[in-house]
Amino acid sequence: GENVEQHPSTLSVQEGDSAVIKCTYSDSASNYFPWYKQELGKRPQLIIDIRSNVGEKKDQRIAVTLNKTAKHFSLHITETQPEDSAVYFCAATYSGTYKYIFGTGTRLKVLA
Amino acid sequence: DADVTQTPRNRITKTGKRIMLECSQTKGHDRMYWYRQDPGLGLRLIYYSFDVKDINKGEISDGYSVSRQAQAKFSLSLESAIPNQTALYFCATESSGASTDTQYFGPGTRLTVL
Repeated sequence: GENVEQHPSTLSVQEGDSAVIKCTYSDSASNYFPWYKQELGKRPQLIIDIRSNVGEKKDQRIAVTLNKTAKHFSLHITETQPEDSAVYFCAATYSGTYKYIFGTGTRLKVLA
Repeated sequence: DADVTQTPRNRITKTGKRIMLECSQTKGHDRMYWYRQDPGLGLRLIYYSFDVKDINKGEISDGYSVSRQAQAKFSLSLESAIPNQTALYFCATESSGASTDTQYFGPGTRLTVL
């Protein structure tokens, strides 16, 4: 069945360092890959997304890369700040539909 | 995001009780979703609906049912609640006409089944 694996489950970095979170998906028909940030006690919110016809997308300090051949995509956060501390979820659409499969989340801690 | 609301925000109930969680949105979106969030398991899809007459099962629909009463309302029911349904439940909406496929989540309902 469809599956999205996300690693690591927890990640601690020093303020100013970079953080990388990786996800692997199983459905070769997946064509849309969003990333959500969930701060403590709050709802998930979209921070960046990428479609299968693009290899990389950047938005200020965050970027997402996609390797369709290997079926994995990654979130890169540069110059991390304490407010980046949160749980991050990757997701993939299933079989080209708008049904989403989420990864299990990565708890990022940025140490001041 | 006040455009997607969920009621109740917190609920404690007993095993065997029937529970309904409600979701309303003023965004005019046609796609609506119900997820549950458990520690270490992320967000798992329970049901989704792409319009009033379209209801689909997600990954973990057993023990749950839904009703799409109108474009703006999507309710999740637990016919006979059990303790392992204790979780944080999120409703989400999405527009089929937007250039990006952003899901907008409600504030969540924390359900405890004793």
